[in-house]
Amino acid sequence: AQTVTQSQPEMSVQEAETVTLSCTYDTSESDYYLFWYKQPPSRQMILVIRQEAYKQQNATENRFSVNFQKAAKSFSLKISDSQLGDAAMYFCASFTSSGNEKLTFGTGTRLTIIP
Amino acid sequence: KAGVTQTPRYLIKTRGQQVTLSCSPISGHRSVSWYQQTPGQGLQFLFEYFSETQRNKGNFPGRFSGRQFSNSRSEMNVSTLELGDSALYLCASSRQGTNYGYTFGSGTRLTVV
Repeated sequence: AQTVTQSQPEMSVQEAETVTLSCTYDTSESDYYLFWYKQPPSRQMILVIRQEAYKQQNATENRFSVNFQKAAKSFSLKISDSQLGDAAMYFCASFTSSGNEKLTFGTGTRLTIIP
Repeated sequence: KAGVTQTPRYLIKTRGQQVTLSCSPISGHRSVSWYQQTPGQGLQFLFEYFSETQRNKGNFPGRFSGRQFSNSRSEMNVSTLELGDSALYLCASSRQGTNYGYTFGSGTRLTVV
């Protein structure tokens, strides 16, 4: 079974600063994928970034990047130059190719941006 | 291009009633998944459909069912509603499978009174 743990229920950051959201996961599979999703008050879950476990290079999408530590089973999200529009719930999620087509989500981190 | 469309946005039902929620995926997406989101349990997988076939199901009672039509549109049905079924129900679609990440809809907020 997969588990995803987000130990920070809430985080806050000053506008324009950098913040890192933590995520650890557990899986016995060798082939898996990791995701960060953002859920603003509009409720729609938006894919922020995706990481393939077999790729050593950390994924990057504009101001968003991950620190993927495979041995430690850690997958943190770094948001640079934080903007007011980044305020949202952030969910870490994992997926394995074992045949069960589902994402396993963490409990989420609520990010507040301080103007 | 249109996103994933869920209707209705909000719904209030009485205990014991049944409800049907609708999801229209992005054009060309054949995989549709449903998730339940509650403050207590977080995001939980309900089921996944691909080309009108249910491929996977989560740990929910038989009161929760779904189906997918030939145009990939999907419906989710909950019978004999309970107070604990109050939740945000999210639909997500994918063209090539979950490993590429879903596109989610804005959800249907179901309140059972």
